[in-house]
Amino acid sequence: SQQGEEDPQALSIQEGENATMNCSYKTSINNLQWYRQNSGRGLVHLILIRSNEREKHSGRLRVTLDTSKKSSSLLITASRAADTASYFCATEIMDSNYQLIWGAGTKLIIKP
Amino acid sequence: GAVVSQHPSRVICKSGTSVKIECRSLDFQATTMFWYRQFPKQSLMLMATSNEGSKATYEQGVEKDKFLINHASLTLSTLTVTSAHPEDSSFYICSARDGGQGMNTEAFFGQGTRLTVV
Repeated sequence: SQQGEEDPQALSIQEGENATMNCSYKTSINNLQWYRQNSGRGLVHLILIRSNEREKHSGRLRVTLDTSKKSSSLLITASRAADTASYFCATEIMDSNYQLIWGAGTKLIIKP
Repeated sequence: GAVVSQHPSRVICKSGTSVKIECRSLDFQATTMFWYRQFPKQSLMLMATSNEGSKATYEQGVEKDKFLINHASLTLSTLTVTSAHPEDSSFYICSARDGGQGMNTEAFFGQGTRLTVV
């Protein structure tokens, strides 16, 4: 089942620009996670942000979490062609046996 | 980081045959594994949650007798697609959580299996 909605569904930008993707969810969560998927491959974990955290950084990635609005954003700064992939948010809801609820994903294309 | 190995990465089978997909956690004990199905250009659809030593919990609409899941050890879960049909063709992905880390930890994913039923 999906509780997350992501926007935009697709994003195409020039190399060097910043890319912002948004995720909304519906129920209370333990944490929210962002993953990346290259075409036809498995998923790679990017960042996990806990429900009591508001912002987290990892290299060129910045994630924010607003639990009052039940939303999160993923910012990729100084994008590179290699960042081209699909990005998914996933929420770990409370009392869920670690089950993740997935957003629909954002297809990011970085034009060289 | 922890590694989950999924095998095979691609398989083509004939209608009516069964296919087994393996998911192994290589350097941690996975008390819980998840099996997903992903359609083209779509998100992951959870099929079932597999707990070591117990029966899998299937999501609504997923046929238990068709998608057999076995999680016999802390490092191995298998998904068997029985009596495969062309509509079972899809990308199947497993993920595992490190049971010793508790909540607020990431999930580790296998590389996925592209199943084509002809």
